[in-house]
Amino acid sequence: AQSVTQLGSHVSVSEGALVLLRCNYSSSVPPYLFWYVQYPNQGLQLLLKYTSAATLVKGINGFEAEFKKSETSFHRTKPSAHMSDAAEYFCAVRPNAGKSTFGDGTTLTVKP
Amino acid sequence: DTGVSQNPRHKITKRGQNVTFRCDPISEHNRLYWYRQTLGQGPEFLTYFQNEAQLEKSRLLSDRFSAERPKGSFSTLEIQRTEQGDSAMYLCASSQGSDTQYFGPGTRLTVL
Repeated sequence: AQSVTQLGSHVSVSEGALVLLRCNYSSSVPPYLFWYVQYPNQGLQLLLKYTSAATLVKGINGFEAEFKKSETSFHRTKPSAHMSDAAEYFCAVRPNAGKSTFGDGTTLTVKP
Repeated sequence: DTGVSQNPRHKITKRGQNVTFRCDPISEHNRLYWYRQTLGQGPEFLTYFQNEAQLEKSRLLSDRFSAERPKGSFSTLEIQRTEQGDSAMYLCASSQGSDTQYFGPGTRLTVL
């Protein structure tokens, strides 16, 4: 069985500030880990995935996520927030095959 | 390759009516997944297919719900005798084996 906890359902930062979106997971087998973004009334778009290669995964638009097995975490960061980063972000865990289990999401607000 | 498509995008129905949604996966993806997302939560797994075989069903999938993928290509999700609690976004995703799941735009169901 697997589960995902996203700490902080809402995160608000100023434009240009560091963004940290937290994700902790539990999994009975080595997992694949993902970050998705969702805009209002749309589906999910894949941003990042960890599949047991490099522990630091780099995505588009300056975001990256680091897999830390000892902390069972896959937090996502960006050094400088942009207005266009405002959205809802979901972390997901998936064993080698089958379903994904998602966290409840974090809504990122970027203030000018 | 145009991605995963879902129809309709929006459906409004009265309680007690039956509804059917369609998902067309990315061509040649052998796995197809259905998820349900309610407001303020992450997607929850409902069921998935490998080719035409339904391999796993969630306990969320009551006997009023049925999903098919008759030729291993598109899939349908039918809800019989809809209830207000069925109001949600229904998301479809596809993958090639255990590779990344790609999501469609979703069908938003409103049960009056």
